[in-house]
Amino acid sequence: DTAVSQTPKYLVTQMGNDKSIKCEQNLGHDTMYWYKQDSKKFLKIMFSYNNKELIINETVPNRFSPKSPDKAHLNLHINSLELGDSAVYFCASSQPQGASEKLFFGSGTQLSVL
Amino acid sequence: DAKTTQPNSMESNEEEPVHLPCNHSTISGTDYIHWYRQLPSQGPEYVIHGLTSNVNNRMASLAIAEDRKSSTLILHRATLRDAAVYYCILRGVGDYKLSFGAGTTVTVRA
Repeated sequence: DTAVSQTPKYLVTQMGNDKSIKCEQNLGHDTMYWYKQDSKKFLKIMFSYNNKELIINETVPNRFSPKSPDKAHLNLHINSLELGDSAVYFCASSQPQGASEKLFFGSGTQLSVL
Repeated sequence: DAKTTQPNSMESNEEEPVHLPCNHSTISGTDYIHWYRQLPSQGPEYVIHGLTSNVNNRMASLAIAEDRKSSTLILHRATLRDAAVYYCILRGVGDYKLSFGAGTTVTVRA
């Protein structure tokens, strides 16, 4: 059983389209995250939800909208895709434990916008 | 807002130990030192973390300097599967996010 699973693994789409990436965790964690890894390989946090409530919203365009239907799921919807959105998107989850908290990551969704 | 400094890359031979340094001279008293690694085409994976004392687990050991301004991740016997980018990250009380830097790319030679 994969602890944090994302679908799809690969997503190729045209500029201007709308797409969604889904994430599910079966670890019973309260917190979930979306990270973006660009072509230079830097990992940047985008959003974080704790028990379905948004707690981190970094400087991300409004075209990106996370949705957490329950604490085991965090989906990412992207409107009007742009070339610069091409990246690998990682979902993660954790159980709040302060500074010693550990994150568990999914294997990523590679988004290519043509 | 990089709080840690790591070498860009390191090479090792299989079966030999690897010592990955990390400098964090501005660490505060409540910051934990975390290490994650990212294998090719995978998401980051937790390796180890510590506060003041040295820590060991099945994956690695973490040696923390007495003044806590630096630490070293030790892979005792490198295998080809240990080839990855290793990230040293500080996380303090009230930090709601884990911030990744550039990390150290480790290459293991057969």
